[in-house]
Amino acid sequence: ILNVEQSPQSLHVQEGDSTNFTCSFPSSNFYALHWYRWETAKSPEALFVMTLNGDEKKKGRISATLNTKEGYSYLYIKGSQPEDSATYLCAPTGGGNQFYFGTGTSLTVIP
Amino acid sequence: EPEVTQTPSHQVTQMGQEVILRCVPISNHLYFYWYRQILGQKVEFLVSFYNNEISEKSEIFDDQFSVERPDGSNFTLKIRSTKLEDSAMYFCASSERRGGTDTQYFGPGTRLTVL
Repeated sequence: ILNVEQSPQSLHVQEGDSTNFTCSFPSSNFYALHWYRWETAKSPEALFVMTLNGDEKKKGRISATLNTKEGYSYLYIKGSQPEDSATYLCAPTGGGNQFYFGTGTSLTVIP
Repeated sequence: EPEVTQTPSHQVTQMGQEVILRCVPISNHLYFYWYRQILGQKVEFLVSFYNNEISEKSEIFDDQFSVERPDGSNFTLKIRSTKLEDSAMYFCASSERRGGTDTQYFGPGTRLTVL
């Protein structure tokens, strides 16, 4: 799973806006997908792990969906807050130990 | 909450020198990993380690790199003779179990600068 793309590369939204971004990956050899939230100078923080087609996970105002047949996952943030500003990384896996990270989406929430 | 720690946070070295990057994984985890991110590029997998041996490695992890768990708590990455292109952020991670569904917990990274 070498070709993992995330879009957009960066995003600026106003506080209170809802937003979403995309992670695209080859659907062959898919095993699981991880989403991480990464603030500068901190450790990447695990958000979700998803495995099944149609999976939907939620954590507070953040949710994610998974389509393994077409090879994409969406991450949604409802009512963005300044503390949501971070880079969001997706990492599909092929069943081994290796995570294949995307380029990330950098989110800036403007107060 | 348990966390992965890494030292140093920033290491500057001269080309050709050896460096050792240190990590303390979460204490009950059994699988350990190193990743790196060259500035402006994706985070890339280097190696995974379990039961005192390498379980998986990428093409990047050549003979210049080695990993070790010298005691019950530390996990190290050694680069024998650093090159300019080794300049990157190096992340250590650990997980309880093997496999793609288990969350890998990352440290804050060590920024390596090779001059």
